Amino acid sequence: DTGVSQDPRHKITKRGQNVTFRCDPISEHNRLYWYRQTLGQGPEFLTYFQNEAQLEKSRLLSDRFSAERPKGSFSTLEIQRTEQGDSAMYLCASSLLKELFFGEGSRLTVL
Amino acid sequence: SQELEQSPQSLIVQEGKNLTINCTSSKTLYGLYWYKQKYGEGLIFLMMLQKGGEEKSHEKITAKLDEKKQQSSLHITASQPSHAGIYLCGADLSGSARQLTFGSGTQLTVLP
Repeated sequence: DTGVSQDPRHKITKRGQNVTFRCDPISEHNRLYWYRQTLGQGPEFLTYFQNEAQLEKSRLLSDRFSAERPKGSFSTLEIQRTEQGDSAMYLCASSLLKELFFGEGSRLTVL
Repeated sequence: SQELEQSPQSLIVQEGKNLTINCTSSKTLYGLYWYKQKYGEGLIFLMMLQKGGEEKSHEKITAKLDEKKQQSSLHITASQPSHAGIYLCGADLSGSARQLTFGSGTQLTVLP
């Protein structure tokens, strides 16, 4: 499969724990994006990487969230001290030009 | 997002019927993307429109961009149960395509 790959697909955690999601973009796609989607809503932009540089970050992203893309390949999104409001689907997308291709998402449930 | 309004919120049609979903922006559209999503899954890219008056088709799905009206429409001809899902429009409101603003989606049900 040569699409965007995300891991894990599902994560259940207790409030206060840290979680990390991984995204492997489509090979040769230099642009990578993270979005968050809650039930009944469209995805909301979180952050954007071009190669290894994080060039855009949503003001909605609290300090508990951090994303990295070392070496410009895969990316990780870490949420520290999770809260119940963090429960959502975290979607990763990649692109070479302007067409964004999304992965299957990582669903987070915070108890 | 209030910057991007989709209508209708939900749609139930009989198999074989045509249908249209609209997406209207309160800001200038530099690009408009259409995606399909099955519940609990990722977004499937359908098409991207950039130029005013542009029209693209994929199988029985056609999308048009009206730049002046800051609006796009998605039309499905002779709907099938396989068309069921959530249709999302996403807009590039900055011109850089670094972040897309999405509508809340249209839930489509196709009755056999």
